[in-house]
Amino acid sequence: GAVVSQHPSWVICKSGTSVKIECRSLDFQATTMFWYRQFPKQSLMLMATSNEGSKATYEQGVEKDKFLINHASLTLSTLTVTSAHPEDSSFYICSASTGSPDEQFFGPGTRLTVL
Amino acid sequence: SQKIEQNSEALNIQEGKTATLTCNYTNYSPAYLQWYRQDPGRGPVFLLLIRENEKEKRKERLKVTFDTTLKQSLFHITASQPADSATYLCALLKAAGNKLTFGGGTRVLVKP
Repeated sequence: GAVVSQHPSWVICKSGTSVKIECRSLDFQATTMFWYRQFPKQSLMLMATSNEGSKATYEQGVEKDKFLINHASLTLSTLTVTSAHPEDSSFYICSASTGSPDEQFFGPGTRLTVL
Repeated sequence: SQKIEQNSEALNIQEGKTATLTCNYTNYSPAYLQWYRQDPGRGPVFLLLIRENEKEKRKERLKVTFDTTLKQSLFHITASQPADSATYLCALLKAAGNKLTFGGGTRVLVKP
C-alpha cells in the first residue's frame, strides 16, 4: 500500500515551453501533497505544500507564478513549470501525506531537462 | 539559521561490517527525525522514524538513535550488504505542520 506515482518519469522540452507533472496517490487519499526539487548531488528542497481544494503554500524563494500547483482531488496534484528555462532542469519529486506527520510517501520523481 | 548536516563524503565499507551515518542539526527543535534511502534517479524511500522522546529505534538490520541534547542522530546498518549501497537522507519534522527538511545525504558503498 501507500504508492505514489508520478508522470512523466522524464521529460525534455525546449526553453520557453510549459511542462506539467502529475503526482497521484494510488491507494490512499492524500490530504496534503508536497513538491520538492533536487539538483544533482544535492538534497531535496521543498518547493510548496498543497492541500486539496486550497491554494498551495510556497517556500521562500519559489515563484508561485512560475511553478503552478493544482491539487484538485485527494489523489492528484499537478505541478506546471511555466516558461521553462535551462536552470529549471532538475529532478522533481512529490510526496503525499494522509495528514499524519509520520506518514509521507514519495513518488519516483520526474527528471526535467530544458534545452 | 537552521542547518541539517550529514557527512557529504561517501562511506565505503566492507560487506558484513556495520555502517554508521551521522546527522547533526542546529537551531532546530524537531519532533520527529526520519531516515530515508534514495537510489540514483529515484525518489526517497522511508526507512525509520524516531520521535523526540525516543532514544533508539530498530528495524531488522537498521538502528537509529536520537540525542536531542547533542542534536544528533546516528543511523546504523549492521551486517551490511552490497544491496545496501545507496544514499541515505535524514529529515527533520517539526511538531507543527508536517514539512520535512532534509539533510544533504551520505552515499554508502558496500563492497563485496
